[in-house]
Amino acid sequence: EAGVVQSPRYKIIEKKQPVAFWCNPISGHNTLYWYLQNLGQGPELLIRYENEEAVDDSQLPKDRFSAERLKGVDSTLKIQPAELGDSAVYLCASSLDGGNEQFFGPGTRLTVL
Amino acid sequence: AQSVAQPEDQVNVAEGNPLTVKCTYSVSGNPYLFWYVQYPNRGLQFLLKYITGDNLVKGSYGFEAEFNKSQTSFHLKKPSALVSDSALYFCAVRVLYGANNLFFGTGTRLTVIP
Repeated sequence: EAGVVQSPRYKIIEKKQPVAFWCNPISGHNTLYWYLQNLGQGPELLIRYENEEAVDDSQLPKDRFSAERLKGVDSTLKIQPAELGDSAVYLCASSLDGGNEQFFGPGTRLTVL
Repeated sequence: AQSVAQPEDQVNVAEGNPLTVKCTYSVSGNPYLFWYVQYPNRGLQFLLKYITGDNLVKGSYGFEAEFNKSQTSFHLKKPSALVSDSALYFCAVRVLYGANNLFFGTGTRLTVIP
């Protein structure tokens, strides 16, 4: 069974540029999560989807971050414009439903110069 | 509010010795507890979870964890450490009957010395 797929794995951009990350969850998993992981820290939830509905986006900085999961399958997380402090690893995870363990993708390491 | 504490940033243990990675939690309700492991340049991998029932939970790669309600702890253990166990370990908690969001600790880097 394929795991959670994320692309790109690495991204280097200059500040004020836009950037987008893509995630394809495990087939059949209706819950999808985006996390931010800063160096030396645990992951912090940015947004959680159940199917195509964002059920918790309270930690998403909505002035520059946006996300979508239009068909309830794959998802895109966007930052526009990126700031230096956005340099981090962005993790995507999915679960069969919200109550089960989450399966994580390898993450996208973003460097903002 | 939910929170998780991993009091040790780094744990070193000799190969073959038992290992313990500590975790304490704080939740307003019944906890749902997890351990994940992260290898370099890879995503987090699920090790084990506690929902209810037996306080000793067995997971992947020979790891186990003991839920202690009175001490609000969920320490990760393994009887005999392997060099390949060297990685970053995260404890996480969520409330059993509430929002399905995980709260992670800051992680503990385990180094197993040959």
